[in-house]
Amino acid sequence: KQEVTQIPAALSVPEGENLVLNCSFTDSAIYNLQWFRQDPGKGLTSLLLIQSSQREQTSGRLNASLDKSSGRSTLYIAASQPGDSATYLCAVGGSSGSRLTFGEGTQLTVNP
Amino acid sequence: KAGVTQTPRYLIKTRGQQVTLSCSPISGHRSVSWYQQTPGQGLQFLFEYFSETQRNKGNFPGRFSGRQFSNSRSEMNVSTLELGDSALYLCASSLEGRPGTDTQYFGPGTRLTVL
Repeated sequence: KQEVTQIPAALSVPEGENLVLNCSFTDSAIYNLQWFRQDPGKGLTSLLLIQSSQREQTSGRLNASLDKSSGRSTLYIAASQPGDSATYLCAVGGSSGSRLTFGEGTQLTVNP
Repeated sequence: KAGVTQTPRYLIKTRGQQVTLSCSPISGHRSVSWYQQTPGQGLQFLFEYFSETQRNKGNFPGRFSGRQFSNSRSEMNVSTLELGDSALYLCASSLEGRPGTDTQYFGPGTRLTVL
């Protein structure tokens, strides 16, 4: 059974700092890994999708990497801003259609 | 292009009642998945529908059911509500739910409170 772990559970940083969020998964037979952000009481916003054959994806100030063999992914956020404050969720997809297995999330607070 | 929409956004029910939630996927998307989010269990997969057929199912009791219509809109139904069913129910759509390539887009969710 796939299990996804995210570390740290919470993170508070000053504005402008670069930061890294970590995600690990137990079964390396994944098809993709997706990073989402969730604002309080809201739905999920897709940030980046990494296919299993890829090593990384970039979008603006965000960069996500994937190491399937070690079961790890990192989300790098450059020059953090208060608007980045949210919960960041990592999810992995296996062979079963669009089913995703989620981690518990990292709650990020960026202080002005 | 409009995003995934879910109705209603908030719902209050009492134990023993039943409830139906609705999800309209992004235009052109044929795969719809449902998730339950609670503080204790996090996000858990309920089921996925594609072309009006349930393609995947998570580990939830039979009180949770769903269906998909020919226009890809989906509904989920929970019968005999329990207090533990209080949660944020999220719907996600993707083009065809192909593992590895199709990004999933989530709706804003329906907040269900069972009293």
